[in-house]
Amino acid sequence: GAVVSQHPSWVICKSGTSVKIECRSLDFQATTMFWYRQFPKQSLMLMATSNEGSKATYEQGVEKDKFLINHASLTLSTLTVTSAHPEDSSFYICSASPGTSLSYEQYFGPGTRLTVT
Amino acid sequence: SQKIEQNSEALNIQEGKTATLTCNYTNYSPAYLQWYRQDPGRGPVFLLLIRENEKEKRKERLKVTFDTTLKQSLFHITASQPADSATYLCALAYFGNEKLTFGTGTRLTIIP
Repeated sequence: GAVVSQHPSWVICKSGTSVKIECRSLDFQATTMFWYRQFPKQSLMLMATSNEGSKATYEQGVEKDKFLINHASLTLSTLTVTSAHPEDSSFYICSASPGTSLSYEQYFGPGTRLTVT
Repeated sequence: SQKIEQNSEALNIQEGKTATLTCNYTNYSPAYLQWYRQDPGRGPVFLLLIRENEKEKRKERLKVTFDTTLKQSLFHITASQPADSATYLCALAYFGNEKLTFGTGTRLTIIP
């Protein structure tokens, strides 16, 4: 149980284009989903927290107009990187939590490797 | 701001021995401390969660301790195997805040 999928697993796009990444909880309903970014040999940095049906909460320094997050259902959240630039190249990972209380652990997706050329 | 340090970037342990990883934090104690395993190019996998009022948690060959006086958590893998080789991350969460703050991780290699 507690499986989270991400699609695509990797994507290469040209500078200036937009890329959408999907995160799905396959066997549970995710009240809260989180989006992280991880650069090589660095830890996970939280980008934003999204609750189903409401606007995402972005971390300081993360541009909400550049990284659009939609959490339209209890099993799906999407991250759209708009007008991507080479510095946006990174490993993007989502996680899902079945409750808003921290008594629940987070279940992570397998990640999406984004390369912007 | 809270700083989380994991003892070493890399740790090599002989197969069969116990691997001990350290997670130290500054400032106030978290409500929960979690340990994750991450393999290259993959998302983290949840291993264990320990609450601030718990001293120790076990799961099979894994053991986690939590010392709020020392502001430290230790993560032990007993009877280590080459398949245990991975990066291990500790993560902290606080009451009233859903966010997890991750340490930089320790890359563990079990040598056959």
